[in-house]
Order: sequence, then C-alpha cells, then structure tokens
Amino acid sequence: NAGVTQTPKFQVLKTGQSMTLQCAQDMNHEYMSWYRQDPGMGLRLIHYSVGAGITDQGEVPNGYNVSRSTTEDFPLRLLSAAPSQTSVYFCASSAGFVGSYNEQFFGPGTRLTVL
Amino acid sequence: AQKVTQAQTEISVVEKEDVTLDCVYETRDTTYYLFWYKQPPSGELVFLIRRNSFDEQNEISGRYSWNFQKSTSSFNFTITASQVVDSAVYFCADQTGANNLFFGTGTRLTVIP
Repeated sequence: NAGVTQTPKFQVLKTGQSMTLQCAQDMNHEYMSWYRQDPGMGLRLIHYSVGAGITDQGEVPNGYNVSRSTTEDFPLRLLSAAPSQTSVYFCASSAGFVGSYNEQFFGPGTRLTVL
Repeated sequence: AQKVTQAQTEISVVEKEDVTLDCVYETRDTTYYLFWYKQPPSGELVFLIRRNSFDEQNEISGRYSWNFQKSTSSFNFTITASQVVDSAVYFCADQTGANNLFFGTGTRLTVIP
C-alpha cells in the first residue's frame, strides 16, 4: 500500500492563480481531511469528508474548495491564491465511521508558496 | 470547543536525559480521544499513541510513556533516556466525534549529543 499520497511536493504560485492539490489514499478509508500547518500555529483543519459525496468545513475553510467524487481521492482547490495561503498542506485519512476515533494517516505534505 | 495547549514551545536536553512534554486539553465532550504525533525534521507526521476519555491508565512503550489525568485535563508524554533521533516537533491533539483533530501548537524537542 502506498498509504496517503500528495502531489505536488512543492509549488510556487503568484497571487490570483488557481491550483489543485491532489490527495489519494489506497486504504479504502471513508474519512479524509486537509490541514494546513503554519509556524507557531500547529495544524488547522481546512475541510473534511466522511465519505464520497460528503464534505464539510473545518476551522479555516475560506479560500479553499473540496469535492469527494470517489473514496480514494480528495483534492483541495485554491481558486485565487493569496500570500496568506503560503503554508504546508497535509492530507489525512482514517478508517471507520464517524466517531470511531481511529488514528489518522498523513500524507507527506505539500509546501506551497504564494508570491 | 476543543482546545489543546502545549505551553512548551521549545525544549533542549542533553542525550540520555529524561524529558516530559506537557499537554493540557479542553473539551465539552464526554467521549473523546487524545493523540500524540511526532514530526521529525523530514516533515512527515507519525502517529505515536491514542487514548480514550474512559481509560486513564498510564502507558509505557519502550522509552516512551504517557500520563493521562482527567482531573487536571492533562496528557503528558515522557521520553526516558532521550536520543538524538528523538529530536522532532511533537504534537498533542484532541479528536472529536467527527474524527477531526484539534492540534496543539507543538513542542520542538532538541536532543543534544
């Protein structure tokens, strides 16, 4: 199993550009999520999904869109990048239903810089 | 709302010393899980332990041990006989019923050889 994979590993954007961060898992996990990590702030939840076709907002959703058309994939879209979105982005997945409290498996991260 | 506080921003110890990383959580849920994750310099997040709100027993795994006390809302992590490979950022997190993790701001541990 590859686990949770993320592409790209690094990305530089100009303000106003759009892009999609890809996330895929091959563990048949129902739950997937996106976090951003900023210095001194830990990881904060952007969006999450409890299954295909179901998404919801986390703590810091503004400026990001998600969709979940398959169990395996959970892309994160930046519609109009801003310097405040410069961060390291982590995708995660976990098995089981809501409330199962299983540990989350994290991807390797995408380091995004917005100029 | 969930809140996790890791008051220690950075800790430095000399190799073979013991070190305790503090974590204080705040939640209104009666059922919750607490986690510790390790982020080495390579950047990935590595799961270390999960404890539920009904089990206050301490746990030991090799050089690692965890002390969960509901009376003080703390879930502290101790590394015994620290090694250089323990140098990393350590995150404590609280998980809600929706499976969402609320992270503390992390403690950067540096083990000096």
